[in-house]
Amino acid sequence: DAGITQSPRHKVTETGTPVTLRCHQTENHRYMYWYRQDPGHGLRLIHYSYGVKDTDKGEVSDGYSVSRSKTEDFLLTLESATSSQTSVYFCAISEEFLTGRTTLYEQYFGPGTRLTVT
Amino acid sequence: GQNIDQPTEMTATEGAIVQINCTYQTSGFNGLFWYQQHAGEAPTFLSYNVLDGLEEKGRFSSFLSRSKGYSYLLLKELQMKDSASYLCAVRDNYGQNFVFGPGTRLSVLP
Repeated sequence: DAGITQSPRHKVTETGTPVTLRCHQTENHRYMYWYRQDPGHGLRLIHYSYGVKDTDKGEVSDGYSVSRSKTEDFLLTLESATSSQTSVYFCAISEEFLTGRTTLYEQYFGPGTRLTVT
Repeated sequence: GQNIDQPTEMTATEGAIVQINCTYQTSGFNGLFWYQQHAGEAPTFLSYNVLDGLEEKGRFSSFLSRSKGYSYLLLKELQMKDSASYLCAVRDNYGQNFVFGPGTRLSVLP
């Protein structure tokens, strides 16, 4: 199994409180991502990182911020949680390896965090 | 913007072959990706196509035609454990922005 973990795995919080989700990898992959998955919407990219301190917004970034101070950790923060942010959050990592004329691509997802905002 | 379409549901029989189609309209393109996701679990990366043609990995193959904005995932010798959702995603030209389709729920019947 790829070395990617998320914490916490489950969280219930109240509207208006700050929440931070952590993604940790041991694969030394360059790229890290945060997604949310909701019924009827599928997977949607929140933010991604292409290196330490290098991040960019995805499709649904409003209300979320991220930080990556080390290669292995990517944090997702909800500054003031709202009920619309109730979802399952997945972290993912990826890397591309050029081997002669071909490109090998690896991508792994973490186990997910189920967040409920009441 | 990006728009990705997949059939919502498909049913197939154990041992058969099934093809799951994906069409996309995107402002940029830097690869098409397929994932498998069992209910209640995280997605698993299956394949990556950036050039036209067929990529084969065991029982799974993925095809891409960039001029037609079309891809398919081919699953051979279906097994009960292949019952899952299959997600198609496009990575655009700008960094690592992935856009996912709605997913196709495949049911494999005995």
